[in-house]
Amino acid sequence: QVQLVQPGAEVKKPGASVKVSCKTSGYTFTTYAIQWVRQAPGQRLEWMGWINAGNGNTRYSQNFQGRVIITRDTSASTAYMELSGLRSEDTAVYYCARGSISNWPFDFWGQGTLVIVSS
Amino acid sequence: EIVMTQSPATLSVSPGERVTLSCRASQSVSSNLAWYQHKPGQAPRLLIHGASARDPGIPARFSGSGSGADFTFTISSLQSEDFAVYFCQQYNNWPVTFGQGTRLEIK
Repeated sequence: QVQLVQPGAEVKKPGASVKVSCKTSGYTFTTYAIQWVRQAPGQRLEWMGWINAGNGNTRYSQNFQGRVIITRDTSASTAYMELSGLRSEDTAVYYCARGSISNWPFDFWGQGTLVIVSS
Repeated sequence: EIVMTQSPATLSVSPGERVTLSCRASQSVSSNLAWYQHKPGQAPRLLIHGASARDPGIPARFSGSGSGADFTFTISSLQSEDFAVYFCQQYNNWPVTFGQGTRLEIK
């Protein structure tokens, strides 16, 4: 069965970077995109970007341009999202999800990684 | 970007009741609208895509309708395991955007 597994939590100081992993299984990693979405406390889900796991192409939300980098390791069927310049407003649950780069929903999601930014 | 507005924010219902949720887009998203169920500590679960198509394995009590900018999600007879947050997503335009969610609570 399709699974996306994320670490449970990370605690970072303001100004630091965080790199969240998303290990996939149960399907051919390179035939889908991996999307990244976050949800801050009391806020709606916010799309951050995607990576085409086949060719490595990426697209990012304007809201995170310059601060987020999404990569993948095809040998490990794993995608990564790195967010730099952390501030307290980046405290959120970060989700990865399987999707497409075109008009298609996110059909499988990870359980999310809570990132806490605190001094 | 397209703003998705869900109503109501919270709904208190009893098991067995019929539930209807609303999702409105700030502009047309054609039928590129999905509904998800989200329980605390779990991964969101895709229920409906294409506004009305149930994902494989999703029970028939869940249904969706609408196109353009107005969409409806219905649970025909609420089961105990259905108490959760439901949110809509448009994937017609980048960036994809989400509604703020509707929380179903036990009455």
